[in-house]
Amino acid sequence: EPEVTQTPSHQVTQMGQEVILRCVPISNHLYFYWYRQILGQKVEFLVSFYNNEISEKSEIFDDQFSVERPDGSNFTLKIRSTKLEDSAMYFCASSEGASGISSYEQYFGPGTRLTVT
Amino acid sequence: AQSVAQPEDQVNVAEGNPLTVKCTYSVSGNPYLFWYVQYPNRGLQFLLKYITGDNLVKGSYGFEAEFNKSQTSFHLKKPSALVSDSALYFCAVRAGFSGNTPLVFGKGTRLSVIA
Repeated sequence: EPEVTQTPSHQVTQMGQEVILRCVPISNHLYFYWYRQILGQKVEFLVSFYNNEISEKSEIFDDQFSVERPDGSNFTLKIRSTKLEDSAMYFCASSEGASGISSYEQYFGPGTRLTVT
Repeated sequence: AQSVAQPEDQVNVAEGNPLTVKCTYSVSGNPYLFWYVQYPNRGLQFLLKYITGDNLVKGSYGFEAEFNKSQTSFHLKKPSALVSDSALYFCAVRAGFSGNTPLVFGKGTRLSVIA
């Protein structure tokens, strides 16, 4: 069964450093998302991406964040200058979004745990 | 704005007993409701969804959920719990069904099934 993959599984970085989290969505999916979960808190939406541009973003997704689909398979989240409060589990998701209500089901990757020290 | 409440941080149940994990929601317009499960070191796995139609929705691994519009609830249930059901369960809602409408999650409920 196809699945969303994410690398690395755990990333440790120093405050102020740039990090790139990588995701490979399911191959025929058209919509891509990033969510994050700070330890002990809710899973929160960051951004959705369709047709090579951001389609929706939350207030969390400020100028320090950016997303890119550099090729036909990868979907990346970049944090330009990490802060301690960016420490969280980051989940990538994708959905087919071709047609019909059921196509908008979101499939999640296993997550990348980001630790900022 | 949409929101989801999962009032229990932890639910403990004996193996073989029925289980319920509670969820209530707030959304303007028609709710589209989901349950996801997270096992250790795994992503969020889809269990079931309510879009329209029958209020009782059946999903993966024997789980079901009942949509109650008057109580704005979508509780997850299983008639007979297994130890392997022990995991973190998330309820989520979408207020619309365009492709970019994000999911809004509850904080999760940890289910522990004791042998």
